[in-house]
Amino acid sequence: AQSVTQPDIHITVSEGASLELRCNYSYGATPYLFWYVQSPGQGLQLLLKYFSGDTLVQGIKGFEAEFKRSQSSFNLRKPSVHWSDAAEYFCAVGANDYKLSFGAGTTVTVRA
Amino acid sequence: DGGITQSPKYLFRKEGQNVTLSCEQNLNHDAMYWYRQDPGQGLRLIYYSQIVNDFQKGDIAEGYSVSREKKESFPLTVTSAQKNPTAFYLCASTRTEGPNTEAFFGQGTRLTVV
Repeated sequence: AQSVTQPDIHITVSEGASLELRCNYSYGATPYLFWYVQSPGQGLQLLLKYFSGDTLVQGIKGFEAEFKRSQSSFNLRKPSVHWSDAAEYFCAVGANDYKLSFGAGTTVTVRA
Repeated sequence: DGGITQSPKYLFRKEGQNVTLSCEQNLNHDAMYWYRQDPGQGLRLIYYSQIVNDFQKGDIAEGYSVSREKKESFPLTVTSAQKNPTAFYLCASTRTEGPNTEAFFGQGTRLTVV
């Protein structure tokens, strides 16, 4: 069975600073990896996904993520954070039976 | 516009009662999912369905039941057997062209037991 670990529960970053959110996965086959963002009381929106090819993936809102098979990681990055990036971020892994499993999430606070 | 509609947005239930959460999608997606979200625990999978009239238990199915009689609909019943049902519930759907397809989410239903 697949699983996802997001080691950081909460990250605080200054506006304009860079952001990196960590994600480690466990899955026996080729992973299908996703990052989602959630605003309070809302559903989730897809930021980006990886399933093959270039290990550096570009997403919406200026986010990117890098797949590293040797480290079983799929970390999310943004070079310069805006106040509107304050939200909860979820990493997820998909399996061949369409079961989609999520990490516990990382809450990002942006300070002025 | 295509999307997923969950209703109601807020739901209050007395202890010992069953309650059904609605999830409807007009995206023509084959697969649908129910997740439960609690603070600090992320999204935990309750049930998922890849096709009409078939569904599988997720990681925390005890105390829940589902049906999938129509492609567009995947209602979730929270039964009285669920010990701690107060939570935020999210419904999602995906195509089944491959496991790399994006999941689309509804806006959620917040269930509170009173």
